[in-house]
Amino acid sequence: DAGVTQSPTHLIKTRGQQVTLRCSPKSGHDTVSWYQQALGQGPQFIFQYYEEEERQRGNFPDRFSGHQFPNYSSELNVNALLLGDSALYLCASSLSRSYPNQPQHFGDGTRLSIL
Amino acid sequence: DAKTTQPNSMESNEEEPVHLPCNHSTISGTDYIHWYRQLPSQGPEYVIHGLTSNVNNRMASLAIAEDRKSSTLILHRATLRDAAVYYCILINGQGGSEKLVFGKGTKLTVNP
Repeated sequence: DAGVTQSPTHLIKTRGQQVTLRCSPKSGHDTVSWYQQALGQGPQFIFQYYEEEERQRGNFPDRFSGHQFPNYSSELNVNALLLGDSALYLCASSLSRSYPNQPQHFGDGTRLSIL
Repeated sequence: DAKTTQPNSMESNEEEPVHLPCNHSTISGTDYIHWYRQLPSQGPEYVIHGLTSNVNNRMASLAIAEDRKSSTLILHRATLRDAAVYYCILINGQGGSEKLVFGKGTKLTVNP
């Protein structure tokens, strides 16, 4: 049973470009959350998708947007990249109806570097 | 979001028990206490969670104070693979959201 998979594992972009990161949730999970983790810090919540809708959003600008597909997979899009967007981007999946008694499962992230 | 306080770092020797503390003095009656850990170059990994009673699983034990204002994650015999950053997180059982609010966690070093 595959866990959460993210692609790509590493990505290098330049300032002003746009990027799309992808996430496939653990089998049977219907909720996907995205987190940004700067070096030496804990992950910070970006937003969460459930039933193809953004259910909750953290303190991130509109440059960060997402999408959830009918098969529950998800994308994170970041426009007009800034140097400060360099970070590890983590995807986590869970089963909504089991909240909060079941854990979130994380992928190993996409390392995004902005030059 | 309810906040937690953890020591920045702790050190242990291999095969010895480790007690990782977490203070959450503003915890509400419906907050669950969750622990995650993050090994180097990996995403966070669920360890254990509880509400009021102490909990055991194959990875660890969770001891919750009677007033619920603190808790302790116990690794019974630390191995080198347990070297990680450990996060104590409160999740509101009535909030309907699964947002995890991570602090800086405790970096555990395990000496051979």
